Amino acid sequence: SQTIHQWPATLVQPVGSPLSLECTVEGTSNPNLYWYRQAAGRGLQLLFYSVGIGQISSEVPQNLSASRPQDRQFILSSKKLLLSDSGFYLCAWRPGHGSYEQYFGPGTRLTVT
Amino acid sequence: KNQVEQSPQSLIILEGKNCTLQCNYTVSPFSNLRWYKQDTGRGPVSLTIMTFSENTKSNGRYTATLDADTKQSSLHITASQLSDSASYICVVSAEVTGGGNKLTFGTGTQLKVEL
Repeated sequence: SQTIHQWPATLVQPVGSPLSLECTVEGTSNPNLYWYRQAAGRGLQLLFYSVGIGQISSEVPQNLSASRPQDRQFILSSKKLLLSDSGFYLCAWRPGHGSYEQYFGPGTRLTVT
Repeated sequence: KNQVEQSPQSLIILEGKNCTLQCNYTVSPFSNLRWYKQDTGRGPVSLTIMTFSENTKSNGRYTATLDADTKQSSLHITASQLSDSASYICVVSAEVTGGGNKLTFGTGTQLKVEL
């Protein structure tokens, strides 16, 4: 069966510090991968998606970046965090073909102070 | 502009009672509509997914309906349990050029089930 992992689960970082959130998927190959951010009282916002290694599409311009160094690894990064980067970050995966279903990870709660 | 609106924003019901959550959308071209359940501090979990040709789908005590003509969907929860307390998110998928799809998320209905 497929599983998706995210870490860390919670993170408190000062403004201006770097960020690295990691997401890995097990039990599948060549998945589509997604990074979302969920702010309080707002719907999920798609940040990045990837259909393959090294292929990243950005939905919203901001000070975040994403990378996919391996087929089942998706990393969200920032060189300098802003207060507005606080939120709940969710990674999700979808089979590359044949299914609409999207599966979410457990999330990372980021607080920028 | 693609939008998904959910109502009510929040709801409190007694354990054992039924409830219905609403979702209205303006998303085109429509591909599918999904309902997710999100427990506090956790990732969303899929409850149902419906395509254009499906007007009802059940998953245990959860039953979703879809009216593609009026662009409305509802999620009915039967015999509610304390564990149903969560945010319920309506997500509508639009087809995009090249065969992919783009998701538009509602802000969710926060349901609380009390004794």
